Amino acid sequence: DAKTTQPPSMDCAEGRAANLPCNHSTISGNEYVYWYRQIHSQGPQYIIHGLKNNETNEMASLIITEDRKSSTLILPHATLRDTAVYYCVRPGNQFYFGTGTSLTVIP
Amino acid sequence: ETGVTQSPTHLIKTRGQQVTLRCSSQSGHNTVSWYQQALGQGPQFIFQYYREEENGRGNFPPRFSGLQFPNYSSELNVNALELDDSALYLCASSPGAGRNTEAFFGQGTRLTVV
Repeated sequence: DAKTTQPPSMDCAEGRAANLPCNHSTISGNEYVYWYRQIHSQGPQYIIHGLKNNETNEMASLIITEDRKSSTLILPHATLRDTAVYYCVRPGNQFYFGTGTSLTVIP
Repeated sequence: ETGVTQSPTHLIKTRGQQVTLRCSSQSGHNTVSWYQQALGQGPQFIFQYYREEENGRGNFPPRFSGLQFPNYSSELNVNALELDDSALYLCASSPGAGRNTEAFFGQGTRLTVV
């Protein structure tokens, strides 16, 4: 079961941190968690991935719980251009996308 | 900009026709995956090609077929088009076919079947 669970939608004020949660309770020990986002039906854009340590890059931070059953993507200072659908994805032999979280950044 | 290009960007076909979609993978990538994304849904895996061989297939009928060329570019062919085949078709390239390998997506081809 490669399912991930995300809230269907979230709002965030511009300039504030956006925290997007994901549950992946059946993840295996050597399986990474990937995050992608998709802006208005363009191709999904890679954001970040991690295994068990917290990760940070120029786009976002990824916090993975110690039991690895859930993670949170953090956009530290959300801008209007961050409005998109965010997918938490388990790779498997393919990428399993759910329906994602539609994040709206409000001015 | 991922370096993955798809053509055409938009296409309109009639039910029963056949269509070929094309994907050029990122330089150095030997693995291409195809996804179908219906409106309001996440992308669904169709199949993957690794070094010109099919390397996994999702729950799609045989009228969805593919090909990967020696330069690792790829085609997706769909025969006997149905109205439900209307979707955004995405190609993703990867540097390998392992379970934890990052994928880079193209901008997609929007197919409308009428």
